[in-house]
Amino acid sequence: DAGVIQSPRHEVTEMGQEVTLRCKPISGHNSLFWYRQTMMRGLELLIYFNNNVPIDDSGMPEDRFSAKMPNASFSTLKIQPSEPRDSAVYFCASSFTGVWTEAFFGQGTRLTVV
Amino acid sequence: AQTVTQSQPEMSVQEAETVTLSCTYDTSENNYYLFWYKQPPSRQMILVIRQEAYKQQNATENRFSVNFQKAAKSFSLKISDSQLGDTAMYFCALRSGGYQKVTFGTGTKLQVIP
Repeated sequence: DAGVIQSPRHEVTEMGQEVTLRCKPISGHNSLFWYRQTMMRGLELLIYFNNNVPIDDSGMPEDRFSAKMPNASFSTLKIQPSEPRDSAVYFCASSFTGVWTEAFFGQGTRLTVV
Repeated sequence: AQTVTQSQPEMSVQEAETVTLSCTYDTSENNYYLFWYKQPPSRQMILVIRQEAYKQQNATENRFSVNFQKAAKSFSLKISDSQLGDTAMYFCALRSGGYQKVTFGTGTKLQVIP
């Protein structure tokens, strides 16, 4: 398996633009997590899905952020409109619920909003 | 709610020496897993070691071992014979709850000095 795949690896966008981050979890995994990493706050859980259903989105900073998981093999995190303070590394991770394994991480997307 | 606290933002250790990274956590669940992840400059999140809460024996993986104190809700990581390649951010993580949410601490930046 190729592991968790995120795209793009790097994204630079102007303030006010819409940004979409993509994630393909490991095949067979039924939990998916979106994290944001910054120097100030470390690794924050934004939202997580179980069997494609959002379970907890309490970490989503504000209404500008939204996440979807239309099927078991794809998820998106959208920011609209983007702001400079959204600049961070965004990680997607997946795991299998039922067997208490660790979460497997993608390479992350470094987002810079100028 | 579940929380993970790492109180040491930065640490350093001489090559070949031993270092211990601290982590405390809180959860109301009886069944949970604890993990230590390593994040080198490449940004990839790498699992170092895991501990099942129901196991009294401390987990060990080569030079890495944990001191799991369930009553105190403490989960420290000991790195023996530190190597230059151990230089990285280290994150403590807790997985618990019916949907097995994964929560991370803020990380400890470890520098191994030659």
